[in-house]
Amino acid sequence: DAGITQSPRYKITETGRQVTLMCHQTWSHSYMFWYRQDLGHGLRLIYYSAAADITDKGEVPDGYVVSRSKTENFPLTLESATRSQTSVYFCASRPGLAGGEQYFGPGTRLTVT
Amino acid sequence: QKEVEQDPGPLSVPEGAIVSLNCTYSNSAFQYFMWYRQYSRKGPELLMYTYSSGNKEDGRFTAQVDKSSKYISLFIRDSQPSDSATYLCAMIESGGYQKVTFGTGTKLQVIP
Repeated sequence: DAGITQSPRYKITETGRQVTLMCHQTWSHSYMFWYRQDLGHGLRLIYYSAAADITDKGEVPDGYVVSRSKTENFPLTLESATRSQTSVYFCASRPGLAGGEQYFGPGTRLTVT
Repeated sequence: QKEVEQDPGPLSVPEGAIVSLNCTYSNSAFQYFMWYRQYSRKGPELLMYTYSSGNKEDGRFTAQVDKSSKYISLFIRDSQPSDSATYLCAMIESGGYQKVTFGTGTKLQVIP
């Protein structure tokens, strides 16, 4: 299917476990983003990537690691999950810096027990 | 103080009403303004996108930007139950890597 997909859609894990959330887009957009959405905070940027092998921190990067070996994939890893990382995670992509058309995936609902 | 303020609602209106959703902001460098609609358990989808001040219309939706007052609005005419969702405003500064700053969203319910 064309567009941006995320997997898994739902995940329950235990404190201290490593978890990887996957994001895949079929548009060949240069820019990709990871956000978390929490009540009262809205959407907060975790990491972003301008191209394959180019990544940078966003507003709340602590505890997260990203990689981007291929343009279409942008996985997000929680190295040692904490309860404060319970959230809904959204991946997004944008064709370029010009303009604001940013497209979001369906989200991954992560619960850390 | 947050850069972007948005009333969380919920806002309940009868079907057919005109809805006004608003955001205020403090950063005068914001140049691009967007409205996203987010249905429950879905990702945000881009509704409207405007550059600088002025109005933009798309069907039943009108976006307004007043940079002098640091105030943006989204109007929905002839509201439908299918418009029930959370509406997020979002803004981008000129220059830089164009980080998108989001409001926390206003939950709208249109009652049949």
